[in-house]
Amino acid sequence: GIQVEQSPPDLILQEGANSTLRCNFSDSVNNLQWFHQNPWGQLINLFYIPSGTKQNGRLSATTVATERYSLLYISSSQTTDSGVYFCAVRSSYKLIFGSGTRLLVRP
Amino acid sequence: DAGVTQSPTHLIKTRGQQVTLRCSPKSGHDTVSWYQQALGQGPQFIFQYYEEEERQRGNFPDRFSGHQFPNYSSELNVNALLLGDSALYLCASSYTGTGTEQYFGPGTRLTVT
Repeated sequence: GIQVEQSPPDLILQEGANSTLRCNFSDSVNNLQWFHQNPWGQLINLFYIPSGTKQNGRLSATTVATERYSLLYISSSQTTDSGVYFCAVRSSYKLIFGSGTRLLVRP
Repeated sequence: DAGVTQSPTHLIKTRGQQVTLRCSPKSGHDTVSWYQQALGQGPQFIFQYYEEEERQRGNFPDRFSGHQFPNYSSELNVNALLLGDSALYLCASSYTGTGTEQYFGPGTRLTVT
């Protein structure tokens, strides 16, 4: 089956810093989503981005499907950005998740 | 526009018991998927329901079963609970017509003692 790998596993930033999170996947996909899981466990949709680039405020994402990776950019980080970031790719009807990047933004 | 809702929020059960978790999809969605998330890991797919039928199943034993109702809401049932079933159970909904983006509920945290 498809393998999804995320890096780095852990990231500590000072408020205001920028960061890049990476998601590699082992096979071609036609659906990729980025989520932010808050401390209460809620998965919040950030981007649905099977290919190309999208931006939403301080966050942007790029997926290069032919090279099997996606990047999530966080600019001017805030303490509320803390949590776990997951990418997930679709295989048939199911989403396959990576193991996540745990982000801590310090004030 | 109501998002995906799940009940209950938390649940404590004893080994060997049975549990039922409930999910109502986002308005306009007709497909419900269930995921299990163990501590420190990414969510794992259990199964997906569409048109009241199980459309795809992940690598979970038959102790895990589900149902979808005509109003698209869904239940997840787990029989003969094991300690290892302790996890966050997440429901996701989507619209089959567009096929793709899944939206998640707040989850049910199950503890088996």
